[in-house]
Amino acid sequence: DAEITQSPRHKITETGRQVTLACHQTWNHNNMFWYRQDLGHGLRLIHYSYGVQDTNKGEVSDGYSVSRSNTEDLPLTLESAASSQTSVYFCASGDRAGELFFGEGSRLTVL
Amino acid sequence: EDKVVQSPLSLVVHEGDTVTLNCSYEVTNFRSLLWYKQEKKAPTFLFMLTSSGIEKKSGRLSSILDKKELFSILNITATQTGDSAIYLCALRESYGKLTFGQGTILTVHP
Repeated sequence: DAEITQSPRHKITETGRQVTLACHQTWNHNNMFWYRQDLGHGLRLIHYSYGVQDTNKGEVSDGYSVSRSNTEDLPLTLESAASSQTSVYFCASGDRAGELFFGEGSRLTVL
Repeated sequence: EDKVVQSPLSLVVHEGDTVTLNCSYEVTNFRSLLWYKQEKKAPTFLFMLTSSGIEKKSGRLSSILDKKELFSILNITATQTGDSAIYLCALRESYGKLTFGQGTILTVHP
């Protein structure tokens, strides 16, 4: 069965360190997205990609970057982690008109 | 910029009650509105609405869209404790990207 997986599921890091969250999907979707979820804010879009070599900024992109070298993967990098980036991160994939399929989430704590 | 507002932000009911969750939106070019249910982990898809006045139904859950008044509602009848979750409304304006509301936290007590 096709799926979307995230790793690590839990991560504790220190302020200033670089962190990368992995996202891998086997749906063969062109569109992939990274959201963060914080209490009271729902899901907010960080970055997204509509295909290989395509990346776009979402509403809360500062301090984050992504790269898309193949269809299956969209890693999210925090260049220099800050306490404000403590959150639950969800990766999602989908086609242009249908539903999005979400990964199980990665809980990141920045101390 | 797209805007999605859900109400109420939280709701506590007893088993058997009927609940109505609201989602209002502002958008330039509407394509679709989606509802998701989120329990402990990943959001799971419930409904996608594209046309006004056509009810989507799945068991005890139903949803309808009003494109003139720019809102959607999600109804849950005969609630059960397993309905306790965060319900998320999301708007699609263009090519796959979804804009989410804050979510409604529903708690169903036995």
